[in-house]
Amino acid sequence: KAGVTQTPRYLIKTRGQQVTLSCSPISGHRSVSWYQQTPGQGLQFLFEYFSETQRNKGNFPGRFSGRQFSNSRSEMNVSTLELGDSALYLCASSLAGVRTYTFGSGTRLTVV
Amino acid sequence: QKEVEQNSGPLSVPEGAIASLNCTYSDRGSQSFFWYRQYSGKSPELIMSIYSNGDKEDGRFTAQLNKASQYVSLLIRDSQPSDSATYLCAVNLQTGANNLFFGTGTRLTVIP
Repeated sequence: KAGVTQTPRYLIKTRGQQVTLSCSPISGHRSVSWYQQTPGQGLQFLFEYFSETQRNKGNFPGRFSGRQFSNSRSEMNVSTLELGDSALYLCASSLAGVRTYTFGSGTRLTVV
Repeated sequence: QKEVEQNSGPLSVPEGAIASLNCTYSDRGSQSFFWYRQYSGKSPELIMSIYSNGDKEDGRFTAQLNKASQYVSLLIRDSQPSDSATYLCAVNLQTGANNLFFGTGTRLTVIP
């Protein structure tokens, strides 16, 4: 069965711009979680969506937002990009909570 | 204090040796514990989960949990060069929210 698909794989953006990343979960999975991975901070939880509702949110500024569509696909948006937003953004879909997480390949965002 | 702490390494072991990776966590009520392996440039891959005190073995991997000491470890027996990767410890905290707190990872190198 198809895995978790994230697009695009790589992005280069300029400070101040905004960016939208996409995540298509495994078929049947209704939960999509987003994480930011940086060398210094490791993996940090951004938010989780379940059945089109944000169910949980990490400690990130309001510039980071997301949404989920009726087909469970999720997007995250980062507005007014800063250099520190350069990171690998990973999404994980799950059927039954964290015990069944499957990560996508990630989107590597570089802000210049 | 971070929720999950790991020795960042790097840890180098010769091929065939036992690699020992350690992790401590702050939330005494945490219930679910995971070890992920992440190859360079790839997404995290779940290799072990453990939910109760004691040892859990799966092939060459053994996870150990000691809730009293708030300590989780991963042993890799007969280490192979293909085990060279970053190992991430992750914990689902007592709040029950559907997200994981990750350590910053330990980089393991197995020397042929």
